[in-house]
Amino acid sequence: ETGVTQSPTHLIKTRGQQVTLRCSSQSGHNTVSWYQQALGQGPQFIFQYYREEENGRGNFPPRFSGLQFPNYSSELNVNALELDDSALYLCASSPRGEDSYNEQFFGPGTRLTVL
Amino acid sequence: AKTTQPISMDSYEGQEVNITCSHNNIATNDYITWYQQFPSQGPRFIIQGYKTKVTNEVASLFIPADRKSSTLSLPRVSLSDTAVYYCLVGEGTGTASKLTFGTGTRLQVTL
Repeated sequence: ETGVTQSPTHLIKTRGQQVTLRCSSQSGHNTVSWYQQALGQGPQFIFQYYREEENGRGNFPPRFSGLQFPNYSSELNVNALELDDSALYLCASSPRGEDSYNEQFFGPGTRLTVL
Repeated sequence: AKTTQPISMDSYEGQEVNITCSHNNIATNDYITWYQQFPSQGPRFIIQGYKTKVTNEVASLFIPADRKSSTLSLPRVSLSDTAVYYCLVGEGTGTASKLTFGTGTRLQVTL
């Protein structure tokens, strides 16, 4: 069974640029969540996708957007990068259940540095 | 739900460690989950509960009746348990999932 994978591992961008981060969910999981984790902080919820539709969103501006594909893999896009966007971006997949919140399986993250 | 935790804790190997998370604004259908995170890795699931007590092979989770806090109990810690521990509060059902991690507790285990 393949776990959650993310690419790239590290990325360096400059202010104003755009970035796309990718995530492959664990086999059998149809829900993907994205988090931003600044150095020394806890992960902050960006949004969640369930069956290709956004299923909830945290307090992030619209320049943070995402997609989920039919195979349940996902992308996180960030436009007009700012210095404060420098962080570890975590993707987590889970099997969506109807009556309970499910355990999330996290990938290793993508370290984004904005200069 | 805003969640707060002690910043750090120290323990000796073999001791029981209890880490508390405060979530005063928890909603009726929010679950409470605890994760462990090592440096440069994604968080790893430890345990989850809704009310009272839950136990698995690595930890116990205690949730009082008012659900405004929860306590993760690690029975006999080892050096490899040195990590950051997060509680996560999130909606159990519905479409508006908002998942809130706590501030994290850095546990240092020594001999």
